[in-house]
Amino acid sequence: ETGVTQTPRHLVMGMTNKKSLKCEQHLGHNAMYWYKQSAKKPLELMFVYNFKEQTENNSVPSRFSPECPNSSHLFLHLHTLQPEDSALYLCASSQGDLGAEAFFGQGTRLTVV
Amino acid sequence: QQQVKQSPQSLIVQKGGISIINCAYENTAFDYFPWYQQFPGKGPALLIAIRPDVSEKKEGRFTISFNKSAKQFSLHIMDSQPGDSATYFCAASMGSNYQLIWGAGTKLIIKP
Repeated sequence: ETGVTQTPRHLVMGMTNKKSLKCEQHLGHNAMYWYKQSAKKPLELMFVYNFKEQTENNSVPSRFSPECPNSSHLFLHLHTLQPEDSALYLCASSQGDLGAEAFFGQGTRLTVV
Repeated sequence: QQQVKQSPQSLIVQKGGISIINCAYENTAFDYFPWYQQFPGKGPALLIAIRPDVSEKKEGRFTISFNKSAKQFSLHIMDSQPGDSATYFCAASMGSNYQLIWGAGTKLIIKP
């Protein structure tokens, strides 16, 4: 495996379910990110982790809970989501700081029903 | 002031033509301007980037033109090919310690 890998690729969940998205990077980077991508909107940065420490939380609702056990793995725990949370969730990593080149995974297409 | 405005939202170009996508910003502190390319089912990937000390950067068929006084930058794709069909995002940041601010994206279709 190379690059940034996200699982699952697709997820359908009910509003009362609890699920988790997983991201793994094989690039030796120190920073990892969660982005939300909705149609015809700019990418929304949700969370940033640098050397396993959360450095950014862009006013994301508490129904999204990130976890970064080490600099290669990132999780996004989901619970009691709303239909408007349906989107493509992208994980990215970079070496260095926030403005450095970001390498993205293929994303998880989430549908909340 | 933190926004990056991208246009057009969608663009159709004939094969061999020139594709032009524009972005505008307000924050004069921005000093790094990348373009990302995203194919269906894939995450965005860095295509080309520019800093404001140059007015143009070219990599193969892709060129960024930068107009500091107008606070605009654009992506030109010369001799556009069907394989260039993708969504293109511009972005800006105030340097490596600050997050990227993204445009809304342009869906480009190259007709054979």
